[in-house]
Amino acid sequence: QKEVEQNSGPLSVPEGAIASLNCTYSDRGSQSFFWYRQYSGKSPELIMSIYSNGDKEDGRFTAQLNKASQYVSLLIRDSQPSDSATYLCAVNPLNQAGTALIFGKGTTLSVSS
Amino acid sequence: DGGITQSPKYLFRKEGQNVTLSCEQNLNHDAMYWYRQDPGQGLRLIYYSQIVNDFQKGDIAEGYSVSREKKESFPLTVTSAQKNPTAFYLCASSDEFSADRGSYEQYFGPGTRLTVT
Repeated sequence: QKEVEQNSGPLSVPEGAIASLNCTYSDRGSQSFFWYRQYSGKSPELIMSIYSNGDKEDGRFTAQLNKASQYVSLLIRDSQPSDSATYLCAVNPLNQAGTALIFGKGTTLSVSS
Repeated sequence: DGGITQSPKYLFRKEGQNVTLSCEQNLNHDAMYWYRQDPGQGLRLIYYSQIVNDFQKGDIAEGYSVSREKKESFPLTVTSAQKNPTAFYLCASSDEFSADRGSYEQYFGPGTRLTVT
């Protein structure tokens, strides 16, 4: 059974701090990785994707991937109250067309002003 | 405007009734998916379709049925055989492979919240 694990939180950080969200996955052959943000009552919104080891930056967001450790993380710099949401980690085990993603249960982030 | 639409946003049904949830996309994506989300459970795959007139069961297909007669449309029917149908239902479609991204990115519709009493 392929699994994706996340700490459910809540993770609480003050405004302006760095929020660090972590995810581990069980299938060593997994190819690509995604972070979704989900506000309460809304659908998930894709914010980052990463497929090679190292860091990938997009604005205030940095995704980090370490395939040897089967670990992917998301850093949010200068956290804002509007970043308060649940963050879902998702893994594409095959990186083929039409492959369904495997999702973690999500980490709830709370940014206080 | 390109995107994925789901209707209705909220749906209420009595136990024992079948109900069909609509999902339409104008992104020209080949692959489409249905997920179910329950509180504290994360997203679980119900069915997916890689191409028109073809679909596969996901992890929790029992009590559900789908069709894929058109590329743009992937409706989900929740039958009376589904034991716990109350949930948030999410439809998604995935992009063409992006060499830049090295992946097939999946995008979600706004969801349908189904309540069965």
